[in-house]
Amino acid sequence: EDKVVQSPLSLVVHEGDTVTLNCSYEVTNFRSLLWYKQEKKAPTFLFMLTSSGIEKKSGRLSSILDKKELFSILNITATQTGDSAVYLCAVDGNTGNQFYFGTGTSLTVIP
Amino acid sequence: DVKVTQSSRYLVKRTGEKVFLECVQDMDHENMFWYRQDPGLGLRLIYFSYDVKMKEKGDIPEGYSVSREKKERFSLILESASTNQTSMYLCASSFEGDLAGGFSEQFFGPGTRLTVL
Repeated sequence: EDKVVQSPLSLVVHEGDTVTLNCSYEVTNFRSLLWYKQEKKAPTFLFMLTSSGIEKKSGRLSSILDKKELFSILNITATQTGDSAVYLCAVDGNTGNQFYFGTGTSLTVIP
Repeated sequence: DVKVTQSSRYLVKRTGEKVFLECVQDMDHENMFWYRQDPGLGLRLIYFSYDVKMKEKGDIPEGYSVSREKKERFSLILESASTNQTSMYLCASSFEGDLAGGFSEQFFGPGTRLTVL
């Protein structure tokens, strides 16, 4: 059965800390892995990863994919209170653009 | 800029009522999706559609139906609402991708928080 597992489920850190969020997957016919950030509304897109070992970076956020070990990490450096959100990982299993979502990691950044 | 809109942000219905949730996208996307999101369960796919009048069941289709009469509009229908259908409902759309296997992210609407009393 295809599945995506995220860890930890929740995380509380202080401003300035660095966090690493994990996403492991077992999905047939993997095509891409995506990270989303969800605040009190719909998810917004962060990264799409398709190749192993190539880091995607956007400001303080970065992500990398390991297709051999079937996982991805999302790093956030120098966290700010505005980074507080649920971070969702989704995998495209190449079955008509159907995405498999993890349950998300809830990140809280306290001043 | 891709825009996905949902007809209501908040909705309160009574058990047994028929409920329609509407989703419209303005980017000519082929694919549209309905998810529900519940605490601790993440996003779960209810139904999706690749094309007009085409629909496929997702992981949790029971108690729901969908309609896609026009490309830009994908409706989720609760034939007889029940309390366990109280949830946040998210619509998403994506384009098919190019013939070389191009990749496409999903664009989400703002969500409809449905409460069934």
